[in-house]
Amino acid sequence: RKEVEQDPGPFNVPEGATVAFNCTYSNSASQSFFWYRQDCRKEPKLLMSVYSSGNEDGRFTAQLNRASQYISLLIRDSKLSDSATYLCVVYGDSGYALNFGKGTSLLVTP
Amino acid sequence: NAGVTQTPKFQVLKTGQSMTLQCAQDMNHNSMYWYRQDPGMGLRLIYYSASEGTTDKGEVPNGYNVSRLNKREFSLRLESAAPSQTSVYFCASSDEGINYGYTFGSGTRLTVV
Repeated sequence: RKEVEQDPGPFNVPEGATVAFNCTYSNSASQSFFWYRQDCRKEPKLLMSVYSSGNEDGRFTAQLNRASQYISLLIRDSKLSDSATYLCVVYGDSGYALNFGKGTSLLVTP
Repeated sequence: NAGVTQTPKFQVLKTGQSMTLQCAQDMNHNSMYWYRQDPGMGLRLIYYSASEGTTDKGEVPNGYNVSRLNKREFSLRLESAAPSQTSVYFCASSDEGINYGYTFGSGTRLTVV
């Protein structure tokens, strides 16, 4: 049983589209939540933290619903450069370290 | 800023050979981690070190050993490589506050034949 679940996709969207990714986690005691971005054959990089009040960074909006144990990432006005795998990450599921979902693949096309 | 540096970037081993993957960070982080990433499996924690002098097992520690040599360096050793250890290995470090997330190295692509 994986503690962080994501739809693997791929999501194929045209430039300018809005796309949303969802993630669920199993441990209600989880404390911190993140979205990471991973480009092909590269290391994961922190995209944004996810706060209970929701947070926005430019075209990216992250939401957390603790009651439903659900995290979302919304990307508006998609760019070709947004093509990557997006990893949902939770802290508090497995001791001291972060617990990564398997990722959702996004391809933005011209 | 170097961040987290991993060596080597690529390695091919024969079954039964040993090797050590090196990781160093220059951000004065207390915590360091080793993950492996396989297709369809995502990132899985092998070992972590919450502080200098301490190490703990993660989700998939079998076949690996680690050493936290000092605050900067955290190495991963394969004593007798097996084809099942073919993977991409990432080292990461983090500061005290977990809300800052991790900084990852660029990875080591290991093939065991």
